[in-house]
Amino acid sequence: EDQVTQSPEALRLQEGESSSLNCSYTVSGLRGLFWYRQDPGKGPEFLFTLYSAGEEKEKERLKATLTKKESFLHITAPKPEDSATYLCAVQAPETSGSRLTFGEGTQLTVNP
Amino acid sequence: IAGITQAPTSQILAAGRRMTLRCTQDMRHNAMYWYRQDLGLGLRLIHYSNTAGTTGKGEVPDGYSVSRANTDDFPLTLASAVPSQTSVYFCASSPDSSSYNEQFFGPGTRLTVL
Repeated sequence: EDQVTQSPEALRLQEGESSSLNCSYTVSGLRGLFWYRQDPGKGPEFLFTLYSAGEEKEKERLKATLTKKESFLHITAPKPEDSATYLCAVQAPETSGSRLTFGEGTQLTVNP
Repeated sequence: IAGITQAPTSQILAAGRRMTLRCTQDMRHNAMYWYRQDLGLGLRLIHYSNTAGTTGKGEVPDGYSVSRANTDDFPLTLASAVPSQTSVYFCASSPDSSSYNEQFFGPGTRLTVL
């Protein structure tokens, strides 16, 4: 069974204080690892897709990396507007309907 | 406005009542999905459709049904609602069901079953 575990559950940072969020996964045949951002009362918003170990992607203050067992979302010099819940998901092989298995998320708060 | 719309935004429903959650996308995506999001359990797939006319069961399909008569619409029906179906429901779509396409999410429907 595919499993995704995110840590920490919650993280409080001061503005400008860099940190990383972790996503550990167990899946038979990873086809893609996805990062989403979710603001309160809204649907998840797509950030990145990673496909193979060693791959990295960046967007503004965010950088996602992937190994064979986990992914990290690095946040450099965060701002209050980066406050949100960050969700990680893995995609199983095609036979399962390309479903995404989500972790429970990391709730990030950036204080000014 | 391009994207996914869901209706209603929120609903309070008596147990035993029938309810249909609506989802419409205007991106001409082939694949559509329904998830429920619960505190401590994250997002879980209820049903999916890889293309119009086909549907499949996800992780938690019991008590729910879907139909996909056309590309744009993917309604989710609760035939006889129970309190355990209290949740936030998200509809999502992707260009197709391959692993190379991210899923785009709607704004959600908050459902309370009393």
